[in-house]
Amino acid sequence: QKEVEQNSGPLSVPEGAIASLNCTYSDRGSQSFFWYRQYSGKSPELIMSIYSNGDKEDGRFTAQLNKASQYVSLLIRDSQPSDSATYLCAVSLGGGADGLTFGKGTHLIIQP
Amino acid sequence: NAGVTQTPKFQVLKTGQSMTLQCAQDMNHNSMYWYRQDPGMGLRLIYYSASEGTTDKGEVPNGYNVSRLNKREFSLRLESAAPSQTSVYFCASSGTYYEQYFGPGTRLTVT
Repeated sequence: QKEVEQNSGPLSVPEGAIASLNCTYSDRGSQSFFWYRQYSGKSPELIMSIYSNGDKEDGRFTAQLNKASQYVSLLIRDSQPSDSATYLCAVSLGGGADGLTFGKGTHLIIQP
Repeated sequence: NAGVTQTPKFQVLKTGQSMTLQCAQDMNHNSMYWYRQDPGMGLRLIYYSASEGTTDKGEVPNGYNVSRLNKREFSLRLESAAPSQTSVYFCASSGTYYEQYFGPGTRLTVT
């Protein structure tokens, strides 16, 4: 049974600070890792993908992957109130197009 | 370029009624997916189609059927709706690196 675990929050961060979101996964064969942002009442929106160990940066977002520890994280620098949302971690075995396993999400609140 | 589109946006059914949720994508993706999202349960995969002509069960397929009509379209059918199928349904498609792009969702209530 593939599992993806996230702290449900809420995680409250002051505006301008760094928000750090964490995710662990159970299947060592996992190869593809994604972060989605979901605003209330809206659909998930892909914000980052990462496939190899290390850091990947895109604008204010940095994804970090440690396969040995089965750990994925997302850092959001210079947090803005518009970053307030639920962040979903998703994992794929990557060997085929057999869908993603999602965590239940972390609710992030950026305080002005 | 609309991405992934879904119809209808909202639907209310009575127990035992049937309906089909429609999904289409214009990104030339091979793979398409249906998920449901429930409070406290997260997103769960119902069915997927890795390529045109194939479909496979996901984590929660009971009570649903799917049809991959062509490369663009993937429909989800509820033959006899039950209150437990009250949920938000998302269709998604994916490209080469398994990144999935989601449609706007269908909010279904079964009374």
